Amino acid sequence: QKEVEQDPGPLSVPEGAIVSLNCTYSNSAFQYFMWYRQYSRKGPELLMYTYSSGNKEDGRFTAQVDKSSKYISLFIRDSQPSDSATYLCAMSQSGAGSYQLTFGKGTKLSVIP
Amino acid sequence: GAVVSQHPSWVICKSGTSVKIECRSLDFQATTMFWYRQFPKQSLMLMATSNEGSKATYEQGVEKDKFLINHASLTLSTLTVTSAHPEDSSFYICSATGRSSYNSPLHFGNGTRLTVT
Repeated sequence: QKEVEQDPGPLSVPEGAIVSLNCTYSNSAFQYFMWYRQYSRKGPELLMYTYSSGNKEDGRFTAQVDKSSKYISLFIRDSQPSDSATYLCAMSQSGAGSYQLTFGKGTKLSVIP
Repeated sequence: GAVVSQHPSWVICKSGTSVKIECRSLDFQATTMFWYRQFPKQSLMLMATSNEGSKATYEQGVEKDKFLINHASLTLSTLTVTSAHPEDSSFYICSATGRSSYNSPLHFGNGTRLTVT
């Protein structure tokens, strides 16, 4: 079993839809959880950062962490074509800036106008 | 926010030649820089961690003599792919963190697409 599992998609949704992206993990020591957005041929861009369990909201984006289920989610409300990208989850047990960051494979999202 | 600049954004080289990729932190002192490789439809795989002024730490399976990393200053790290082969073709991405931002999420450069012919 891989440490972090993420459905690679692709996921296609109509503009305005609510998008749900998620990752599961096996290492219960993970405490820092991040979501990155990566456009084609670009580096990952930090979207959301959460420490431990709970919800965090930033504009149209909401990140949820359920440590008891080892499950994290990213919700995108009122999705836009500009949200079309690959979304990577990442997590760490020893600091968000740690070299021990583990990434999911990424979910490719297409928002259709 | 923190900005990490990577250059070049793409490079094509012939098999057997060497290629140097630069990673710069533009608005903070990067005590640690990370180098990742990403193959198509795959996630980022950490290649090595470099701390300013000391030798890089390589992940298992990464040849340190092939991927030379230099982190000579607090704002610059370089990755040199020596004697490149077609199988080295990939997307190379750097990221950086500073002394006071160990618990802050990493910021990444825009990556360098290397194609070896």
